[in-house]
Amino acid sequence: SAVISQKPSRDICQRGTSLTIQCQVDSQVTMMFWYRQQPGQSLTLIATANQGSEATYESGFVIDKFPISRPNLTFSTLTVSNMSPEDSSIYLCSVEEGAGEQYFGPGTRLTVT
Amino acid sequence: EDQVTQSPEALRLQEGESSSLNCSYTVSGLRGLFWYRQDPGKGPEFLFTLYSAGEEKEKERLKATLTKKESFLHITAPKPEDSATYLCAVRYGGSQGNLIFGKGTKLSVKP
Repeated sequence: SAVISQKPSRDICQRGTSLTIQCQVDSQVTMMFWYRQQPGQSLTLIATANQGSEATYESGFVIDKFPISRPNLTFSTLTVSNMSPEDSSIYLCSVEEGAGEQYFGPGTRLTVT
Repeated sequence: EDQVTQSPEALRLQEGESSSLNCSYTVSGLRGLFWYRQDPGKGPEFLFTLYSAGEEKEKERLKATLTKKESFLHITAPKPEDSATYLCAVRYGGSQGNLIFGKGTKLSVKP
């Protein structure tokens, strides 16, 4: 299975600032996914990022708040913009492999003060 | 209404005490049910995929089964290292290929 790394692993940010999270995969993949995991809640899909096209956002998530880049087949970034305490969460990227299962990175724990 | 419901929310077992975790789903047109294990501070780790009722998968002390309405993750003679949160997710015809996750069951196994 693909090996996925994320940077940073955690960060504490001030309200109103932005943070960019990086996701690196050790093999070329078509689809990359960004999730949010809030305490006591299900993993929620933010968007799907395909190389060479605009990301597809799920209901409740917008590009202005969560811009995504996908410059090549092994890398993606998610930016959390104009942060508020409600954005405090774990952010995870994942990739899908042959049989449809997804493999996840270690996550980025974000705290907004 | 939640599409994927996991129970119990938390489960405490003694080492060697077998039990089962439940994942019930209300979606139609199931295209796969996925089990994951998540350790604190880490991303979910893929365990199993099940596609049709009656299917079973096994890995060490874990066995996953699937019916038309639910899946069970059976843990036989658990060890403390099995302590983790277990997540299930479904992909179905209306999910546009996306995974819909339950909230998980937090398992603690005491020595």
